[in-house]
Amino acid sequence: EAQVTQNPRYLITVTGKKLTVTCSQNMNHEYMSWYRQDPGLGLRQIYYSMNVEVTDKGDVPEGYKVSRKEKRNFPLILESPSPNQTSLYFCASSAVLPYNEQFFGPGTRLTVL
Amino acid sequence: KQEVTQIPAALSVPEGENLVLNCSFTDSAIYNLQWFRQDPGKGLTSLLLIQSSQREQTSGRLNASLDKSSGRSTLYIAASQPGDSATYLCAVFESGGSNYKLTFGKGTLLTVNP
Repeated sequence: EAQVTQNPRYLITVTGKKLTVTCSQNMNHEYMSWYRQDPGLGLRQIYYSMNVEVTDKGDVPEGYKVSRKEKRNFPLILESPSPNQTSLYFCASSAVLPYNEQFFGPGTRLTVL
Repeated sequence: KQEVTQIPAALSVPEGENLVLNCSFTDSAIYNLQWFRQDPGKGLTSLLLIQSSQREQTSGRLNASLDKSSGRSTLYIAASQPGDSATYLCAVFESGGSNYKLTFGKGTLLTVNP
């Protein structure tokens, strides 16, 4: 089954404790991206990657890191999480342009205390 | 900077009604526009993708149109059902310079009453 998977689905952590949220897709997609969703602010793009070793900032990259060492994986790293990073996070993937329907993962609900 | 606006923010209709959701964007330099559905606490499900060169796309009871020059898209839902209740999001994929970014509207919360 074609899908985007994220792990963990739920995470409660404390301020400053480094964490990684994994994202993997099995559709051989080149484009992958991360979003956060907050009430009243909607979905905002954090980082995106056009292909292996090619990443770029979205609208809200501060406090996050990403890497794209393999085509199928695009982990999101919070090196020193803070309470304002409490949010619902989504990973997505798509084929390259022009036809790039976005497929989303199920989401990771992160709480930083 | 691209801005995407969805009107109305919330809509409540009786079952069987036809309805229109609106999406507008400020920068017409887009590759495509995609409509999604999101159920409470769930992920996003893709409904329709319209390329910048297209005027509309249809899937079942859904029809999406795109007027790139005026920066507008509409999602038409025919014969609405209670199962259509969800938040509907539109997103544009930008093509400006070296940016390849997806920008979302804040969504329209649709409630279809039996």
